[in-house]
Amino acid sequence: LAKTTQPISMDSYEGQEVNITCSHNNIATNDYITWYQQFPSQGPRFIIQGYKTKVTNEVASLFIPADRKSSTLSLPRVSLSDTAVYYCLVAADTGRRALTFGSGTRLQVQP
Amino acid sequence: SQTIHQWPATLVQPVGSPLSLECTVEGTSNPNLYWYRQAAGRGLQLLFYSVGIGQISSEVPQNLSASRPQDRQFILSSKKLLLSDSGFYLCAWTRTPAYEQYFGPGTRLTVT
Repeated sequence: LAKTTQPISMDSYEGQEVNITCSHNNIATNDYITWYQQFPSQGPRFIIQGYKTKVTNEVASLFIPADRKSSTLSLPRVSLSDTAVYYCLVAADTGRRALTFGSGTRLQVQP
Repeated sequence: SQTIHQWPATLVQPVGSPLSLECTVEGTSNPNLYWYRQAAGRGLQLLFYSVGIGQISSEVPQNLSASRPQDRQFILSSKKLLLSDSGFYLCAWTRTPAYEQYFGPGTRLTVT
């Protein structure tokens, strides 16, 4: 599984756009990039997944450059409830499909 | 719709005692099932996964074991708990062919 590197923590204020970047230099051709959100004492929750270019859903956008060696999760106009840990994962949609979670990025949104 | 259940929600057990955590999935068939453990302030560590009844793969050597007696039931066990077994245990499943994993509410285990 490709190793990912993301900032340990980030701070923001309500209403701002937050961009969390993840690097995955050894991503493989059949790997997808997936982001999860985890609140304290809860299991992670799927946010968004992409392979290349840009993906957008009702929660976030995911930007992936052509070389796919990094990706950026964009959260528009964050609120206090977006305070959580965000995980970037890279893995192929084959075989056991087990996920390797790193330490994630702890986002703190201030009022 | 699919739902995943875990119980108990919290558990306090003495060192050396046995353990049994249960996970069940509703609303789907033949899911891939996973057990993860999360230490305080850390990421998730994959412990076991199963692609079918009776098929268990272990990721980390330890004093834990897993079983899948039914298609949608996954059990995590230990004969003798260690202090290092304390943590937040999460069960998850995947729906073929999508790669998205769905996590249960978790069990917080404290070994004293």
